[in-house]
Amino acid sequence: AQSVTQLGSHVSVSEGALVLLRCNYSSSVPPYLFWYVQYPNQGLQLLLKYTSAATLVKGINGFEAEFKKSETSFHLTKPSAHMSDAAEYFCAVSGVDMRFGAGTRLTVKP
Amino acid sequence: EAGVVQSPRYKIIEKKQPVAFWCNPISGHNTLYWYRQNLGQGPELLIRYENEEAVDDSQLPKDRFSAERLKGVDSTLKIQPAELGDSAVYLCASSFSRGSSYEQYFGPGTRLTVT
Repeated sequence: AQSVTQLGSHVSVSEGALVLLRCNYSSSVPPYLFWYVQYPNQGLQLLLKYTSAATLVKGINGFEAEFKKSETSFHLTKPSAHMSDAAEYFCAVSGVDMRFGAGTRLTVKP
Repeated sequence: EAGVVQSPRYKIIEKKQPVAFWCNPISGHNTLYWYRQNLGQGPELLIRYENEEAVDDSQLPKDRFSAERLKGVDSTLKIQPAELGDSAVYLCASSFSRGSSYEQYFGPGTRLTVT
């Protein structure tokens, strides 16, 4: 069975600081991995996805994620946080169906 | 291009009452998903459709939940009767295909409160 674990249910950073949201996956086959963002009272929006073409994946809004097979990780990063990045972030792995992590709430302090 | 449309956005009902949610996927998307998202958690799949066929409904509580996707386009999810524990956000998503590499596009969800 495939699953993802997001480390840290809540991350707080200052505006302009590095954003690092952690995700580890479990999969018996090469995984397809996704990061989604959810703003209050909205659905999930795709940030980026890994489909084995390149280990470093760039997404929207300046986010990127690196697939590390040896660490079974797919952490999401952004060099400089902006106030508008405050949201809930979900890591997901796709196989037979898509399994989501519990989410990490990102708070950005001015 | 219009995204996934869901209605209503919010619904408050008393327990034991019926409720229905409607979803219109992105045009051309054959695969449609219904998820339930409890507070502070990620979405959990309830049912997946390939065109009009429900191909995965193993997580759908069939004693009270039902779904249909007539003509393989829009879909309705129903709960009858609703219980307090059904309070959650119900998300609809669609994708071009059920292949693992295809991203899913989500609607804004319906927030259900059962009192």
